[in-house]
Amino acid sequence: EAQVTQNPRYLITVTGKKLTVTCSQNMNHEYMSWYRQDPGLGLRQIYYSMNVEVTDKGDVPEGYKVSRKEKRNFPLILESPSPNQTSLYFCASGPADRPHTGELFFGEGSRLTVL
Amino acid sequence: KNQVEQSPQSLIILEGKNCTLQCNYTVSPFSNLRWYKQDTGRGPVSLTIMTFSENTKSNGRYTATLDADTKQSSLHITASQLSDSASYICVVRGFSGYSTLTFGKGTMLLVSP
Repeated sequence: EAQVTQNPRYLITVTGKKLTVTCSQNMNHEYMSWYRQDPGLGLRQIYYSMNVEVTDKGDVPEGYKVSRKEKRNFPLILESPSPNQTSLYFCASGPADRPHTGELFFGEGSRLTVL
Repeated sequence: KNQVEQSPQSLIILEGKNCTLQCNYTVSPFSNLRWYKQDTGRGPVSLTIMTFSENTKSNGRYTATLDADTKQSSLHITASQLSDSASYICVVRGFSGYSTLTFGKGTMLLVSP
């Protein structure tokens, strides 16, 4: 089954404790991206990657890091989480061969609470 | 700056009734527009895509329209069902592909029995 898998789905952590949210897709997509979703603000892009070893900042990259060492994986790293990073996070992937019409496939989301 | 505005912000309708959601955008040059449905606690899923040359497209009880001249799109839901309760997100793409994706904030629809 074609899917984007995120882990963990739910996480409660404390300020300053490094954490990683994993994202894996099995559709051989070149494009992958991370979003955060907050009430009233919609989906905002954090980082994206057009291919292996190619990453770029989105609209709200502060406090986050990413890496793309393999095509299927795109982890989101919070080096020192703060309470304002409490949010619902989504990973998405899409095919690069049709960048102008390609559909985005989203994971099920990771709800993060930073105390 | 590219913008996508959706209205209304939220909507409550009775089961069986119709409704229309609006999406206005300023993205230029325009490539395509997608409507996504996001069930509570789930990731968004694409409902339909509208390209520059398309005016109307149906997907079951969902009908999307596009007026590229006025930069407006609508999503009409016919004979609503409880399962239509969700957030509907309009996403507009420019000619430079993924880097020009602009998301609306969504319309929260609640279908009441």
